[in-house]
Amino acid sequence: EVQLVESGGALVQPGGSLILSCAASGFALGTYWMSWVRQAPGKGLEWVGNIKQDGSEKYYADSVKGRFTISRDNAKNSLYLQMSSLRVEDTAVYYCARYSSPPRNYDCWGQGTLVTVSS
Amino acid sequence: QTVVTQEPSFSVSPGGTVTLTCGLTSGSVSTHYYPNWYQQTPGQAPRTLIYSTNIRSSGVPDRFSGSILGNKAALTITGAQADDESDYYCLLHMGGGIWMFGGGTKLTVL
Repeated sequence: EVQLVESGGALVQPGGSLILSCAASGFALGTYWMSWVRQAPGKGLEWVGNIKQDGSEKYYADSVKGRFTISRDNAKNSLYLQMSSLRVEDTAVYYCARYSSPPRNYDCWGQGTLVTVSS
Repeated sequence: QTVVTQEPSFSVSPGGTVTLTCGLTSGSVSTHYYPNWYQQTPGQAPRTLIYSTNIRSSGVPDRFSGSILGNKAALTITGAQADDESDYYCLLHMGGGIWMFGGGTKLTVL
């Protein structure tokens, strides 16, 4: 069974840092692009960024560029989101998703992990 | 900056047909934006319905269909059922590896 499980969500102070992890099972992570998507409480979905199979290409939303870094360890079947200079508005459930390209389909989602940025 | 637009809310009667749309504040949506559609119920992860404009994801009933209508992407639900009551999000490829979600449509079935 294809599965994605996020972890690492926590309460962190503004200006702080946090690393989220996403463990993949049931497929070889290294054969897919991967993504992070977030959802603030009571709000809509926001695409955060993508990373290519070998990590050679990464793309980010303007709202997180320069503060968030996506990385991966294919040998460990794991995806990461390193977040720094966190702001209150970064409070959200963070989902990892598998991105198949082609045909440009986010076809598998984790259940999410909650990050709360508050003093 | 261009923003992806969706109707904030929509209502449909059971058994009825509803079309949700996904547009841009500047320009027209075409197949080159590879429109994706997602369904989400409270507390749950998104579920992929449609990708690349009109391809149904595995296991999605054929009463869900995607298309381009005029200058927007569209998700049509034919024969709406009570459990279709959800939030629906479109996702567009804006170019340069960047994707953007619409604000979502809250669909009520009553």
